[in-house]
Amino acid sequence: DTEVTQTPKHLVMGMTNKKSLKCEQHMGHRAMYWYKQKAKKPPELMFVYSYEKLSINESVPSRFSPECPNSSLLNLHLHALQPEDSALYLCASSQDPKSTDTQYFGPGTRLTVL
Amino acid sequence: AQSVTQLDSQVPVFEEAPVELRCNYSSSVSVYLFWYVQYPNQGLQLLLKYLSGSTLVKGINGFEAEFNKSQTSFHLRKPSVHISDTAEYFCAVSRADSNYQLIWGAGTKLIIKP
Repeated sequence: DTEVTQTPKHLVMGMTNKKSLKCEQHMGHRAMYWYKQKAKKPPELMFVYSYEKLSINESVPSRFSPECPNSSLLNLHLHALQPEDSALYLCASSQDPKSTDTQYFGPGTRLTVL
Repeated sequence: AQSVTQLDSQVPVFEEAPVELRCNYSSSVSVYLFWYVQYPNQGLQLLLKYLSGSTLVKGINGFEAEFNKSQTSFHLRKPSVHISDTAEYFCAVSRADSNYQLIWGAGTKLIIKP
């Protein structure tokens, strides 16, 4: 099974809302990633979790809050977002950050902030 | 630092014709090279990767790529395209010693003309 699942597929939220994105993998991968992708652009790395610990934060605003409750699950908590945060949010996983293994991507959550 | 250049933002090609999508990179250290495909409204899927060894790499869906170290290129080819190949194609590189940080090209949209 080489699948990364993400829920929800679509999310519309107001600027005062609090919502969460969920990502799950059952491949035994110990590295998990959040990316943001704007239309017609490549993905931008946001966060990297290595062995359930946050190892990389690419200067992401605090209105995005990642959480890794266990080795299979990765959440992204959203609060007080701006319209410019509307994008496709992609989760990925790999064996571990220092391996040569591939990053496997989920289908993404398309977020619209009104 | 590494960088990736995909010179063609769009490549139109007739169905059943061959196609080449160009990717050039720059790096002062050894890198791994990847091609990912993103179908409309979907996540990213790995097409193929070069880590070491044979410079001709075969991937899924009939795609192949050739690593050329002297020209710092990793062009993607397919001998005969189908309508279903319509997608955005991203070239990416990572440092050979730590592949959490994928450096992405801007992407090339492959447009198949019937």
